[in-house]
Amino acid sequence: GQQVMQIPQYQHVQEGEDFTTYCNSSTTLSNIQWYKQRPGGHPVFLIQLVKSGEVKKQKRLTFQFGEAKKNSSLHITATQTTDVGTYFCAGPNRGSTLGRLYFGRGTQLTVWP
Amino acid sequence: KAGVTQTPRYLIKTRGQQVTLSCSPISGHRSVSWYQQTPGQGLQFLFEYFSETQRNKGNFPGRFSGRQFSNSRSEMNVSTLELGDSALYLCASSASGGDTDEQFFGPGTRLTVL
Repeated sequence: GQQVMQIPQYQHVQEGEDFTTYCNSSTTLSNIQWYKQRPGGHPVFLIQLVKSGEVKKQKRLTFQFGEAKKNSSLHITATQTTDVGTYFCAGPNRGSTLGRLYFGRGTQLTVWP
Repeated sequence: KAGVTQTPRYLIKTRGQQVTLSCSPISGHRSVSWYQQTPGQGLQFLFEYFSETQRNKGNFPGRFSGRQFSNSRSEMNVSTLELGDSALYLCASSASGGDTDEQFFGPGTRLTVL
């Protein structure tokens, strides 16, 4: 079945350092979504990438979708303590219109002040 | 627009009991998905309902079941609880469950099985 692998599982950085999490799918994805879950909270949608090679930015966050639409990355520049949380990528089956997203295990980011 | 609501927020049960969790999606949303979240295991997909029909099912035993009502509200039931069922149960709603639909998560129900 479809799998979405995400690395690393944990990342500890000092405030001001950069952070990157990577997502790889065993199959081609029609699109990929990223979510953030703050400690004690629930996942919140960040962004969706649809096109091959697409790059989107949200302030210090840069999201990329691979050319083959099998991998994606989220890069945070100059992390802040507000970036703490777990970041999940998620994608549907290619060609499927039935509502199932396959989530990666997430990368838990800790930022030291 | 009100967000996704889940009740109860916390539950403590003992082994062998059963439990019912409730989820009210965002108004107008017809797809409701359920996830189990445990430390280090990410979001494990339980099932997804659309228009009162289960469209997708994850790899969980038959003790886990669900349903959706005509107003799109959904419930999930876990029978014969086991210690390993202790987890945060999240529901998420989306407009139609389509490929590009954003999922809106509720705050979750934290279930503890003693």
